[in-house]
Amino acid sequence: DAGVTQSPTHLIKTRGQQVTLRCSPISGHKSVSWYQQVLGQGPQFIFQYYEKEERGRGNFPDRFSARQFPNYSSELNVNALLLGDSALYLCASSLGSGGMNEQFFGPGTRLTVL
Amino acid sequence: EDQVTQSPEALRLQEGESSSLNCSYTVSGLRGLFWYRQDPGKGPEFLFTLYSAGEEKEKERLKATLTKKESFLHITAPKPEDSATYLCAVDAEAGNTPLVFGKGTRLSVIA
Repeated sequence: DAGVTQSPTHLIKTRGQQVTLRCSPISGHKSVSWYQQVLGQGPQFIFQYYEKEERGRGNFPDRFSARQFPNYSSELNVNALLLGDSALYLCASSLGSGGMNEQFFGPGTRLTVL
Repeated sequence: EDQVTQSPEALRLQEGESSSLNCSYTVSGLRGLFWYRQDPGKGPEFLFTLYSAGEEKEKERLKATLTKKESFLHITAPKPEDSATYLCAVDAEAGNTPLVFGKGTRLSVIA
């Protein structure tokens, strides 16, 4: 069974540009969550989607947005990139959105903003 | 505010030298505590979920335990391939985030 997949693997952008990151969950999983991980820190929650609806939002500016498609895949968009947006962006999928659901992570997208 | 603190930040062990990693948490109500392993540049790999105080789970050389205030990840006779960052995360009843992570413990096992 395929795990969570993310694309692209690496991305280099310049300040002010926009970026779209993509995630495909494990087959049968209906919830997708996005996390940002900077070097030396644990992942920080950005968004959670379940059945195409936003179920939670972390403490990130409005430059960050996301959506979930009917096939449960998801996109994370970041506008007006800043140097501080450089990080590993992780997608996690789970069967449901509640606390009893283990989250399984993809390999991440490494974003570098110059 | 829900908080997770992991200690030590880094740990260096000789192969076969057993030790424990600590995860202390302050949450409004714990729904679950999760342990992950993360290799450099990769996504976290799920290890364990613990739901209630007194619960224990084992997998190969790893054993996770849970009390009302903290969790321990015990590593018995570690091997160099156990070298990684170990992350602890909590899911809180009143929180609006799926998981709140600690900063992790970087484990190095030397042959």
